[in-house]
Amino acid sequence: DAGVIQSPRHEVTEMGQEVTLRCKPISGHNSLFWYRQTMMRGLELLIYFNNNVPIDDSGMPEDRFSAKMPNASFSTLKIQPSEPRDSAVYFCASTLQNRENTGELFFGEGSRLTVL
Amino acid sequence: GENVEQHPSTLSVQEGDSAVIKCTYSDSASNYFPWYKQELGKRPQLIIDIRSNVGEKKDQRIAVTLNKTAKHFSLHITETQPEDSAVYFCAAYSGAGSYQLTFGKGTKLSVIP
Repeated sequence: DAGVIQSPRHEVTEMGQEVTLRCKPISGHNSLFWYRQTMMRGLELLIYFNNNVPIDDSGMPEDRFSAKMPNASFSTLKIQPSEPRDSAVYFCASTLQNRENTGELFFGEGSRLTVL
Repeated sequence: GENVEQHPSTLSVQEGDSAVIKCTYSDSASNYFPWYKQELGKRPQLIIDIRSNVGEKKDQRIAVTLNKTAKHFSLHITETQPEDSAVYFCAAYSGAGSYQLTFGKGTKLSVIP
């Protein structure tokens, strides 16, 4: 398996524009996570899906952020409209888990977003 | 929900010395404690993990200890090398109602040659 695949790797956009980040989890994994990483706040969990269903989106900063997982092999994180404070590295991660246990969390390479 | 505290935030050691990073967690139901290493500009990657039915686990120069009573766990790196320089994150997993990993804020380890 190629691992968790994210695109784009880098995105530079202007304030107010829509940004869409994409993720393909590892085949067979049933849980997918979106994290945001900044120097100030570290790794923050934005949202996670289990079997394509959003379980906890309490980390999503505000209504400008939305995430979807239409099927087991694809997820998107959208920011509309984007703001300079959204500049960060966004990681997607996946794993196989159940209620009692979890496996290793595999991260993608990340998408570095810069909003001017 | 789970809360994970990690200390110190930065750590500098001389090459060959040992490094210790400590974490505490709040949810007594947590049963899985991984450690991730993130090199500059790279993704976090698992280096070692421990489950709640063991107290210590070792893998070459790295070891992790777990004290469930006190709700803390630690990462020990012996004979540190320059390539150990990175940010290290601890995490705790609670399957009780919220099956997600909660990460600590990270420790930036610098190994001075």
